[in-house]
Amino acid sequence: DVQLLESGGGLVQPGGSLRLSCAASGFTFRDYGMTWVRQAPGKGLEWVSTVSGHGSTTHYADSVKGRFTISRDNSLDTMSLQMNSLRPEDTAVYFCAKTSYFRYDYWGQGTLVTVSS
Amino acid sequence: QSALTQPPSASGSPGQSVTISCTGTSSDVGGYDYVSWYQQHPGKVPKVMIYEVNRRPSGVPDRFSGSKSGNTASLTVSGLQAEDEADYYCYSYGGSNNFGVFGTGTKVTVL
Repeated sequence: DVQLLESGGGLVQPGGSLRLSCAASGFTFRDYGMTWVRQAPGKGLEWVSTVSGHGSTTHYADSVKGRFTISRDNSLDTMSLQMNSLRPEDTAVYFCAKTSYFRYDYWGQGTLVTVSS
Repeated sequence: QSALTQPPSASGSPGQSVTISCTGTSSDVGGYDYVSWYQQHPGKVPKVMIYEVNRRPSGVPDRFSGSKSGNTASLTVSGLQAEDEADYYCYSYGGSNNFGVFGTGTKVTVL
């Protein structure tokens, strides 16, 4: 079975940094793109960033471009999101999702990031 | 990267049909056949119901169907059941410059 497990969320002050991780199992990790999607409390889904299977191609939403960096380690079947210069509006549950031809067919349970002083 | 436009709410009685629209632009919905739909129950993880405009993943009931015309995609749920009450989000690929965008979300209520 496909499993995705996020970690690394927590409370951080505005301007601070946080690194999220997503551990994958149950599929050939390197064959699929991976994506971060976030959901602010009581709000809708927002696509954040996608990394290709080999890790050389990345895409970012304008709202995080220049502040967040997505990466992956295919030897460890993990994906990461380095978040810098965090803002209160980055507060959300962050989901990692397996990406198959521009659809997200498996999702993790999410990790909560709270940006507040 | 503006969110795709969906109606905030839709409703129907059990057994009836409900259709949710998702309006974008020629740069996303209208430009690619990579529209997908996600169902999210409160406190739960989103689940893909339709991909590539009108394809259904295995295990999704055939009561769920998708279509697209121009810059607007649609999700139809036929034969509404109580368990269909949830939030629904569309998503479209937007090309290499605006990779992906979700819709604003629609809350479906089964009366």
